Amino acid sequence: DTGVSQDPRHKITKRGQNVTFRCDPISEHNRLYWYRQTLGQGPEFLTYFQNEAQLEKSRLLSDRFSAERPKGSFSTLEIQRTEQGDSAMYLCASSTRVAGGRDEQFFGPGTRLTVL
Amino acid sequence: TQLLEQSPQFLSIQEGENLTVYCNSSSVFSSLQWYRQEPGEGPVLLVTVVTGGEVKKLKRLTFQFGDARKDSSLHITAAQPGDTGLYLCAGAGRGSTLGRLYFGRGTQLTVWP
Repeated sequence: DTGVSQDPRHKITKRGQNVTFRCDPISEHNRLYWYRQTLGQGPEFLTYFQNEAQLEKSRLLSDRFSAERPKGSFSTLEIQRTEQGDSAMYLCASSTRVAGGRDEQFFGPGTRLTVL
Repeated sequence: TQLLEQSPQFLSIQEGENLTVYCNSSSVFSSLQWYRQEPGEGPVLLVTVVTGGEVKKLKRLTFQFGDARKDSSLHITAAQPGDTGLYLCAGAGRGSTLGRLYFGRGTQLTVWP
């Protein structure tokens, strides 16, 4: 399977703990994105990388959140001192430019985080 | 505040019926994408529309991008239970927000046999 993969699929943690999620993009894609989705809402943009450079961060990404893509391949998203409001589905997507200049993003299955 | 408004939010129909889902915004997008999402899974890309007025067909699904590139519609002909899912539209940012997609809240479609 050559799609976007995410690990773990589910994570349950206690408030105040740190968690880290991993995303492996489609191999030839140089862009990688993180989104967060809560119940009844569409995904909300968090941040994106082109190769190893983090080019944009949303205001949703508080200082407790950090994302890395050290070698321009896989990425990690860490949440420190988790809060109950962090409970959500965390989605990763990857893309590369296609004909016409558009940028089609393909999503992974997501990591469902529950903070107790 | 949602940049993209989708309507209706919920749609429950019988197999064989036709339906249209709308995605509206006051903003112009460089492209617009439609996704379908199953419970507990990530969104799956259905189509990308780029040119104002563009119409794309994917079997029984017809997608249209508004002339001003601010709105879009998805029409399904003769819906089937397998069409059940959350349909999301997403607009691609321009200029300084080029990397991000702005999603609507989605339309939850249920097709009964």
